[in-house]
Amino acid sequence: GEDVEQSLFLSVREGDSSVINCTYTDSSSTYLYWYKQEPGAGLQLLTYIFSNMDMKQDQRLTVLLNKKDKHLSLRIADTQTGDSAIYFCAEGGLGGSQGNLIFGKGTKLSVKP
Amino acid sequence: DGGITQSPKYLFRKEGQNVTLSCEQNLNHDAMYWYRQDPGQGLRLIYYSQIVNDFQKGDIAEGYSVSREKKESFPLTVTSAQKNPTAFYLCASRFGEGEQFFGPGTRLTVL
Repeated sequence: GEDVEQSLFLSVREGDSSVINCTYTDSSSTYLYWYKQEPGAGLQLLTYIFSNMDMKQDQRLTVLLNKKDKHLSLRIADTQTGDSAIYFCAEGGLGGSQGNLIFGKGTKLSVKP
Repeated sequence: DGGITQSPKYLFRKEGQNVTLSCEQNLNHDAMYWYRQDPGQGLRLIYYSQIVNDFQKGDIAEGYSVSREKKESFPLTVTSAQKNPTAFYLCASRFGEGEQFFGPGTRLTVL
């Protein structure tokens, strides 16, 4: 079945760039998403990329998609302490799971001052 | 304001009791979802509904039940058959192939 893999932890210093990586298995996914979850809260959509794109930039966020390797990454430039959260990668589209999104287990980003 | 709400934010249950978690959305979304989140486990799908009066089991449906009598509402009942119900529960809704919108979550604790 479909699967999404992420590393569980990442620690960076304030001001550095953070790169969170994700691999997925369903090549028919239409969209790939990055969600952010702050402690005790729901998930908020950060950004998404359509499957026929290679890159998307939105202010401090850059998403790179390598469709051949089924690899997705999220780069956060000039990481701030407010970026500390859990980041979830998700894939979705009509191709798999009746259109439901498949989530990774989340990467906990810790930003040290 | 359009959005998705969950209540209560915190819920305590004694062993052997059923409890119902509320999820309401005014986004006019057809699809709604319930997830369970445990530390280090990510999100696990409990039930989902693509349309009113229809719902499907997700990966961990045992011990849970749902109803979808109205488009706006998708309540989740945690029954006494659920052996380890302490967790953070998230509701979401979605329109077509778009993003899922999440509620703020309900933290359920069994005493």
